[in-house]
This record gives sequence, C-alpha cells and structure tokens, in this order.
Amino acid sequence: AQRVTQPEKLLSVFKGAPVELKCNYSYSGSPELFWYVQYSRQRLQLLLRHISRESIKGFTADLNKGETSFHLKKPFAQEEDSAMYYCALKGFQGAQKLVFGQGTRLTINP
Amino acid sequence: DTGVSQNPRHKITKRGQNVTFRCDPISEHNRLYWYRQTLGQGPEFLTYFQNEAQLEKSRLLSDRFSAERPKGSFSTLEIQRTEQGDSAMYLCASSPKVRISDTQYFGPGTRLTVL
Repeated sequence: AQRVTQPEKLLSVFKGAPVELKCNYSYSGSPELFWYVQYSRQRLQLLLRHISRESIKGFTADLNKGETSFHLKKPFAQEEDSAMYYCALKGFQGAQKLVFGQGTRLTINP
Repeated sequence: DTGVSQNPRHKITKRGQNVTFRCDPISEHNRLYWYRQTLGQGPEFLTYFQNEAQLEKSRLLSDRFSAERPKGSFSTLEIQRTEQGDSAMYLCASSPKVRISDTQYFGPGTRLTVL
C-alpha cells in the first residue's frame, strides 16, 4: 500500500531560522515524490519534485530511500513561506494518482 | 486566467439531493483528475481520465458518485443522494501527456456542504 506520513500538523519557526518539514512514505517500489504548497487563498501548486533535483524558493528536498523519507528543508525561513505544505507520492511507472500526506501548516514568525 | 477552473466554487445542498460539479482543464491537457479533501486532511484521489477514457477509480468513489469527460475536454462529477459525509472540498487537476509523469495543476476547488 502507498502511504505518506507528515508527522507535524503545525510547525512554527522564526524568520531567518532553518526549516525542516518531515515526510515519510511507505511504498515497495521506486516512487516519485513531490512537495505541493498552498498559500493563503491560493490553489494547490507544485513546489518541487525529487527527480528534478532543483531548489525552488530556497527549498530543497532529498529522497532517502533507506529511511523512506523526503524531508523539505530551507536554511533561512522567510515570512512569505508561511503556508500549508503537502508531501505526495506517485507510485509505479504509469500510475497517475498522487497520494498525499495530511499536510503541515508552516508559520514563520517575524 | 488560463488555469484549471471549477464551478461552482461553493455548493450548499440538503441531504438526499443530487449535485453536479464541473471542471475545465488547462487547454490541451489530456489528463484530468478528481480529488476530495476533507478538513485537516490532504487530498484523496477519486478518479482519473486520459482524454475521454476513465482509466482509474478509487474505492472512495461509491456507486453514488459518477464522473464523465464526454469529449475529452471538461469533466463533470455528480454525487447522487448526497450524505453529510460527502461534505468536502472537491479538487480537479489536469496535466499534459508529454511523458510518463507530469505535473498536475490544480483548480481552486468546489466546496460542498451537505446539511
């Protein structure tokens, strides 16, 4: 079964502090992992995907197959990072559905 | 706005009534998805179309739910005999079939409240 776990429902950090949003997954094959973000009053949008190996808005995420994790990190948080973050998994090649975690609400305090 | 659009944005209905939602994908996106999101949870997959063919359905999609995409463009999701447990945000997403895996672009959602 495919499952995504985000252990923190809420995360609050100060501006300029490092941020790490945790994501663990359960899947027997080689998954694709994504981070989606939803800013206040906006629609859900893709932040980054592991196969792109890119940094978006200062965020990075590394797929750790040994620990089945895909944590999202940013060294210096900014107030505009406050949002709801969802980790998502896509299973075997050809399967299209995304399996989402329950989300983490990140608040950056000034 | 050339993004995914959904109508209506809000729907309030009484238990037992039928409701229908519409999703217009990004032009030329041939893949279309429906998800449901309840309070405090992430989106849950309901169904997926490639062009007009419905290729995957979740067990969440009971026989009261039906989705169509008759001409491979817009899609409708109908819920018959609504129940209070159907109250949720219904999200639509679309993606182009450029390669095996593509980014899904989400619409703003339709919030359903069943009284």
